[in-house]
Amino acid sequence: AQSVAQPEDQVNVAEGNPLTVKCTYSVSGNPYLFWYVQYPNRGLQFLLKYITGDNLVKGSYGFEAEFNKSQTSFHLKKPSALVSDSALYFCAVRDMIFNDMRFGAGTRLTVKP
Amino acid sequence: NAGVMQNPRHLVRRRGQEARLRCSPMKGHSHVYWYRQLPEEGLKFMVYLQKENIIDESGMPKERFSAEFPKEGPSILRIQQVVRGDSAAYFCASSLTAARGGTDTQYFGPGTRLTVL
Repeated sequence: AQSVAQPEDQVNVAEGNPLTVKCTYSVSGNPYLFWYVQYPNRGLQFLLKYITGDNLVKGSYGFEAEFNKSQTSFHLKKPSALVSDSALYFCAVRDMIFNDMRFGAGTRLTVKP
Repeated sequence: NAGVMQNPRHLVRRRGQEARLRCSPMKGHSHVYWYRQLPEEGLKFMVYLQKENIIDESGMPKERFSAEFPKEGPSILRIQQVVRGDSAAYFCASSLTAARGGTDTQYFGPGTRLTVL
């Protein structure tokens, strides 16, 4: 069965610095990988996804993620963090064999001015 | 502590029938979120509820869809007069709090896969 892990409960960065939110996954076939963001009192919002093709995926709000098959990772990155990026970030994996979806526990990103 | 429970896991309906999807949040959680996952796509937010209140329903279709989270019992997502386009996986999540300035971690259920024939 597929699973996804976000090893960090919290990530703190200073505004203007690069940020990385980590995600590793386990699937039995080729993965569909997703990142979602949740702002206070809102539902999840889609950021980006990897299905196939280029390993570097660009998404909303200047975020990007790099798919690394050998390390089974899909880390979320942004070159220069904004205070408004402070939110909860969820990584998710969908197994195309079982057609099921699993989410990480979430990582709280705090960007300080 | 049991996780978020959703039932049924699979639901088959014919066009025009009603679908009821249930979500039991984790013990002590009073915030529930519903998401829809269409084939080949990621999740889309539908509605956010607290006990007996709808907080944010900006993602809910205007017709045929409704949600409730009563004082007692599970949250229900109800789809009336289903059409083929409603076929999707519907995920529920719950959280303990939604404190001012931040939102508690959401824990997701396994999803209900709705198939409309």
